[in-house]
Amino acid sequence: GQQLNQSPQSMFIQEGEDVSMNCTSSSIFNTWLWYKQEPGEGPVLLIALYKAGELTSNGRLTAQFGITRKDSFLNISASIPSDVGIYFCAGQWTGTASKLTFGTGTRLQVTL
Amino acid sequence: SAVISQKPSRDICQRGTSLTIQCQVDSQVTMMFWYRQQPGQSLTLIATANQGSEATYESGFVIDKFPISRPNLTFSTLTVSNMSPEDSSIYLCSVVEGTGIVNEQFFGPGTRLTVL
Repeated sequence: GQQLNQSPQSMFIQEGEDVSMNCTSSSIFNTWLWYKQEPGEGPVLLIALYKAGELTSNGRLTAQFGITRKDSFLNISASIPSDVGIYFCAGQWTGTASKLTFGTGTRLQVTL
Repeated sequence: SAVISQKPSRDICQRGTSLTIQCQVDSQVTMMFWYRQQPGQSLTLIATANQGSEATYESGFVIDKFPISRPNLTFSTLTVSNMSPEDSSIYLCSVVEGTGIVNEQFFGPGTRLTVL
């Protein structure tokens, strides 16, 4: 099935650094969602975006819905050790009864 | 958001056997889904669990292999039948809260299955 492409695939950063990751698709989506998954857990919803061009923040996290509706980015400012995990984007098309298409994931490692 | 629990949290099974995974939600939800996450991979939708009717399966997944029940708006089961090592994955249920434009989807903690 279709997958969204995320980059980078993995990141090793130092505590305090800012992080940026993005997600691209060949298809248009009406909604973009960003999730974080830690080992042994299910994905946890971080940010939901509903309008093209929308910029939304959640604490140190900021995400934007691309104006073409085919991409999105997630920024994390001043990273801390608990930011470690895998970050997934997911796209949703209104006509698909809430089904999500997930990205390939970005694995984030934070060193002290 | 809804609180979602899954049982078992993990299991190790022999090939050829079947395992039923339960998903319980603490509130009534309109939509429930089952996903598979193979080792080191992203999530792939298996099916939509429809209350009171047969589940809707995605391409590559069939009812004989992954029978699903959803007897009410708070509970669903996924059975992995006639298991092989290739079925070793994390199986996750998810629910949708909200209606109309705002449809946020939340996930359970997952069931980690290892097939020997």
